[in-house]
This record gives sequence, C-alpha cells and structure tokens, in this order.
Amino acid sequence: GQQLNQSPQSMFIQEGEDVSMNCTSSSIFNTWLWYKQDPGEGPVLLIALYKAGELTSNGRLTAQFGITRKDSFLNISASIPSDVGIYFCAGQGSSYKLIFGSGTRLLVRP
Amino acid sequence: GAGVSQSPSNKVTEKGKDVELRCDPISGHTALYWYRQSLGQGLEFLIYFQGNSAPDKSGLPSDRFSAERTGGSVSTLTIQRTQQEDSAVYLCASSLAPGQGASYTFGSGTRLTVV
Repeated sequence: GQQLNQSPQSMFIQEGEDVSMNCTSSSIFNTWLWYKQDPGEGPVLLIALYKAGELTSNGRLTAQFGITRKDSFLNISASIPSDVGIYFCAGQGSSYKLIFGSGTRLLVRP
Repeated sequence: GAGVSQSPSNKVTEKGKDVELRCDPISGHTALYWYRQSLGQGLEFLIYFQGNSAPDKSGLPSDRFSAERTGGSVSTLTIQRTQQEDSAVYLCASSLAPGQGASYTFGSGTRLTVV
C-alpha cells in the first residue's frame, strides 16, 4: 500500500541532544500526525497538524506542517532515555484512511 | 473498558491454519479500523467499519482475509489458510467521530507469527 517517505530510519544519539526527523509524500494531505510506539504497544498520538505552515509544540516536541502540504517534520529537544521508541508520521487526505511512514527508531545513550 | 482491547496479544500458528483476531473498541466509538504492521514497516490500512454502513474492505490483501463487526461493537479479523507473509502485528483502532485521524485510539495489537 501507499506509504510516506520517512527519514532517518534510525538514530542513536546521546542523551541531551536534539533530534529531527521528517516525512515527505507525493500527495497533498489535510492533516499530518506524529505518533510514538513503545515495544508491544500501539501508536500513541504526539502532535496533530491541520494547516499548511502550522508549527505546534508539545513540551519538548515541535512539529511543522509543510507549506506544500506534502511534508512534515518533528523535532525533539534535549532528548532523555524515555524518548526511546519508534516515531511514525501519518498523513490524512479527504478520507478516513491514515497513510503511515515506515518509522524512525530512536535510541538514546545515557 | 477505558481503551481498545485486542486479543490474543500473541498468536503462533502453523502455515495453512485459520486464525481469528479480536478487537473490543472503546464503548460508544462508532468507527473501527484494522491496520497491519509488518516488521520494520509502517501501518497499512486493512478495513474500516462505520456504524451500520457497508465496511470499506479496500485494504484487505487477499480473499483469505475477512472481518466482521457484530452489533456495532466487537470486531473479528479472520485469516484463512495462513501464509508466512501474514506474520505481522495486527492493530485495531476506534474513534468516536469517523474521519478525524487525531481522534483514533489504537489497541496494543496482536502479534501473529506463522511458522
């Protein structure tokens, strides 16, 4: 099925460092979503974006809805060990279906 | 319950056998979705139920896959004659209002291993 291009695939960083990941699509989306998935759990919503150019923060997380509506990024500042997990972007067009990226696996070295 | 409940959490089955996966959505949520997550991949849409409307089955990968939702609540995903490529985590989500991706709540999934 259709998927977004999400990069990087994995990151291994030092605690305290900032992290950036992004997603691109060939299609326009009306909504961009960012999720985090812990082992053995389902994805949990972190940030939702609804308007081109929108910049939204949730604590140490900041995400932006690209101007072209075909891309989005997520930044995590001052990473901590509990940030470990897999981060997914998802785009939603005019239907109820979510199109997911393949995920960014984040590992944090204490 | 408070969240979306899926059972079993893990299932190992022999190739060729049939399996049934169950999803209990959040009470009152009319929309229910099944997604599949293969190893190292994102989630892939399988099927969508909304109230009494005909389900959207456009994501089911083959006719070995089917799903039901009885009484507008519990849903079962059935895979017949399982193949090794069916091995994946099957995730269910529900939402109060259909079409608002940010309102989806996911269950913890069923990890299916076909040996």
